[in-house]
Amino acid sequence: GQQVMQIPQYQHVQEGEDFTTYCNSSTTLSNIQWYKQRPGGHPVFLIQLVKSGEVKKQKRLTFQFGEAKKNSSLHITATQTTDVGTYFCAGYYNQGGKLIFGQGTELSVKP
Amino acid sequence: ETGVTQTPRHLVMGMTNKKSLKCEQHLGHNAMYWYKQSAKKPLELMFVYSLEERVENNSVPSRFSPECPNSSHLFLHLHTLQPEDSALYLCASSPYSSGTYEQYFGPGTRLTVT
Repeated sequence: GQQVMQIPQYQHVQEGEDFTTYCNSSTTLSNIQWYKQRPGGHPVFLIQLVKSGEVKKQKRLTFQFGEAKKNSSLHITATQTTDVGTYFCAGYYNQGGKLIFGQGTELSVKP
Repeated sequence: ETGVTQTPRHLVMGMTNKKSLKCEQHLGHNAMYWYKQSAKKPLELMFVYSLEERVENNSVPSRFSPECPNSSHLFLHLHTLQPEDSALYLCASSPYSSGTYEQYFGPGTRLTVT
């Protein structure tokens, strides 16, 4: 079935280090979304990628969509304690018509 | 953020109780969703409503019964739950039910079944 695999499950970094989380799908995605959930909070939409090879930046966050539209990554440069939380990718498949969330990557940042 | 509200925020219920979760969105959206979030598991889509019509039911046990009286309100009626149903239940809305639209989540209801 359609599923989105996300790795790693956990990442512990020292403040100032970089962080990357990856999402992979076995089948081509129509688009992919990224969400952030702070501890004790709810998922909040960050960005959507639609085009093959698309790269978008939000300050220290860089989002990429693979050329084959089967994988995506979120990279954070020079992490800060405010980056703590769980980052989810969510892939949309035209067939089936629903958003499927990855397992999430929980980021902790040590000051 | 007050776009999507959920009540109650916390709920403890016994396995023989009947309770309801409420969600309200103030964004003028046409689609609403119920998700279940358990520890160490991805978000599990339970139900999708589009223009008050249920368009998705992800093999959810019948002890969970959704209701969407209008496009702004969504309920999840609970009865004879099991301890494994303890989780965070999140409501979300989007302009339409297509996955090309971002979803706005409520704060969730933390449910504990004893």
